Order: sequence, then structure tokens, then C-alpha cells
Amino acid sequence: GESVGLHLPTLSVQEGDNSIINCAYSNSASDYFIWYKQESGKGPQFIIDIRSNMDKRQGQRVTVLLNKTVKHLSLQIAATQPGDSAVYFCAENNAGNMLTFGGGTRLMVKP
Amino acid sequence: NAGVMQNPRHLVRRRGQEARLRCSPMKGHSHVYWYRQLPEEGLKFMVYLQKENIIDESGMPKERFSAEFPKEGPSILRIQQVVRGDSAAYFCASSPIQQGQGQNTEAFFGQGTRLTVV
Repeated sequence: GESVGLHLPTLSVQEGDNSIINCAYSNSASDYFIWYKQESGKGPQFIIDIRSNMDKRQGQRVTVLLNKTVKHLSLQIAATQPGDSAVYFCAENNAGNMLTFGGGTRLMVKP
Repeated sequence: NAGVMQNPRHLVRRRGQEARLRCSPMKGHSHVYWYRQLPEEGLKFMVYLQKENIIDESGMPKERFSAEFPKEGPSILRIQQVVRGDSAAYFCASSPIQQGQGQNTEAFFGQGTRLTVV
């Protein structure tokens, strides 16, 4: 079936470095993608989204890149801070009614 | 997002009991989604509702699970005769319009209800 998956389950970075979290999706019909951050014991928090007619979108300290050719999505976090430590999920929307979530990547920021 | 209110935050039920999870969407949001999350896993879609209508329940187990979103009051996810495998975090999300369409269509999540079946 269609799925969204991640390459790395855990990413450890030094405070101040840039972080890159990757995600592969398999449904070429997906037209809307979202990155969520989830801290322990909390609900997912929206970070940034991108539509399939774009290949890059920037927010505050975050950038999402979409490569439709290889069905790849990435989240870049600039100057990573301890508060960025969390699990990050990519999600895709293709049926209009629901999001399909990947398995998550745990980001650990070392001081 | 604090705007989506879920209660209770933690719920303990014995096998065979019923669990009722409540979700009040953000003000102005008429679309509600329920997801289930097992430890160390991503969220799995369960059901999508609008006021008084179930739009998509393709992720709901066929038995024991039901959901509603009445004209007045919160959305309710009901699990009858709970089993240990129902233990999970259940998240509710809301959006002003259907996800993926138009502008500002991201879904905002509540803090979840953590169900433990003993």
C-alpha cells in the first residue's frame, strides 16, 4: 500500500548546527505535505507545509524541500536549538480526508 | 495546539469497559479528525467527521469503535469492551476546511488522550 517513511529514526546534532530530516513517500498522487513536531506527552505541532506545485518553502529557521522526481521530502532546521529536540513526522495528503504519517525521526540536540 | 481541547488527558479502563474520549475543535473549525498513535510510531488515521456526519471512517476498526460529532457539543470517540490492544494515545485534530484544499488548511492537534487498558 501507499506509505510515507523516513530514512533515519534518530538524528543527533550539536547545538547551533543545521539539521536535515528526510522523508520518502510512495504515492505520486500526494499533493500536500506537512511537517509536524511532537514533544514528549504532547500532540503534533504544525511546523511547515508545502504543496506539490512547489519545490521549496521557507519559514522561520525551517525550510522544506520537495523533490517529486524521487518522491523525497526534507526538513531543514537552521541553527538547531535544544528546544528543537523532539520527534518529527512528515505527513502527506492525497485523498482529501486524512493525513498519512511517516514513522517519525527523533532529533536530539547536544549542548 | 491548545485550541483543540481533548479530555480526559489520561484514561484508565479495565478490559471490557467502555472508553469515551472527547474533543472540542478550535473555534470556527467544522472538520474533525481522530488519529491513534502507538508508542514510538506515527499517527494512524481513524475517522473524519463534520457536524452530524461521518465523512470517512476507513481507518476505524469495524467493531467496538464508533465516533460522532453532534450539532452541539464535542466530538466523541467511543470504544466499547476495551482490550489491552486499544491502549494508545488518541489524538483529535480540527481544521476550518477540508485538509489539503485552499489556504491555511493545516490541521491543529489536541494534546491527546492516553488510554491505558488494564
